[in-house]
Amino acid sequence: SYVVSQPPSVSVAPGRTARITCGGNIIGSKGVQWYQQRPGQAPVLVVYDDSDRPSGIPERFSGFKSGNTATLTINWVEDGDEADYYCQVWDSGRDHYVFGSGTQVTVL
Amino acid sequence: EVQLLESGGGLVQPGGSLRLSCAASGFTFSRYAMSWVRQAPGKGLVWVSLISGGGGTISYAGSVRGRFSISRDNSKNTLFLQMNSLRDEDTGIYYCAKELSGSGYYYPDYWGQGTLVTVSS
Repeated sequence: SYVVSQPPSVSVAPGRTARITCGGNIIGSKGVQWYQQRPGQAPVLVVYDDSDRPSGIPERFSGFKSGNTATLTINWVEDGDEADYYCQVWDSGRDHYVFGSGTQVTVL
Repeated sequence: EVQLLESGGGLVQPGGSLRLSCAASGFTFSRYAMSWVRQAPGKGLVWVSLISGGGGTISYAGSVRGRFSISRDNSKNTLFLQMNSLRDEDTGIYYCAKELSGSGYYYPDYWGQGTLVTVSS
């Protein structure tokens, strides 16, 4: 099965910037989505189609893709941003989507 | 407001069966593909199955193909997942998700709160 890689963890101080990467050979072909999952809660879509934000998601969250790597950036990190973050991409070869391995963001 | 409410989870022995339901509201159910995504305890998200809005297109992850069956009743705005021959590794929270379509791909935009399935003797 196809693997989409993310760093297991990222630590960041309040007010600073967190960057989470998502890499894999299929990243470049379709849009990448990002989900935030706080402990004990369902995932929430924070970025879709590489860089668009759903309504209600703060501008502090932004997405970018270059080649086979997508990046989620969280500016001015707050305590409430502490969560697991997953990227999601469509695997055209298997006609379904896969999630990245997930990144735990810890606010110091 | 989009709402997705899963039910039907519980404790089942290996080899047993369970049927999950997801009641949807706040959107025109029949116009959207729907998926089931699961999460084992302490682990990441794993896509399980997807069904198109009309029910004519269905896909499964390899790990559940032949054992699980996804279906929907558009007259009752409800999504189902019939799970047979359950294994220990099927244990986890099962989320129902509403799908949006991009340029040739799908992604979930809304998720339910999940229902816990525990497979254990």
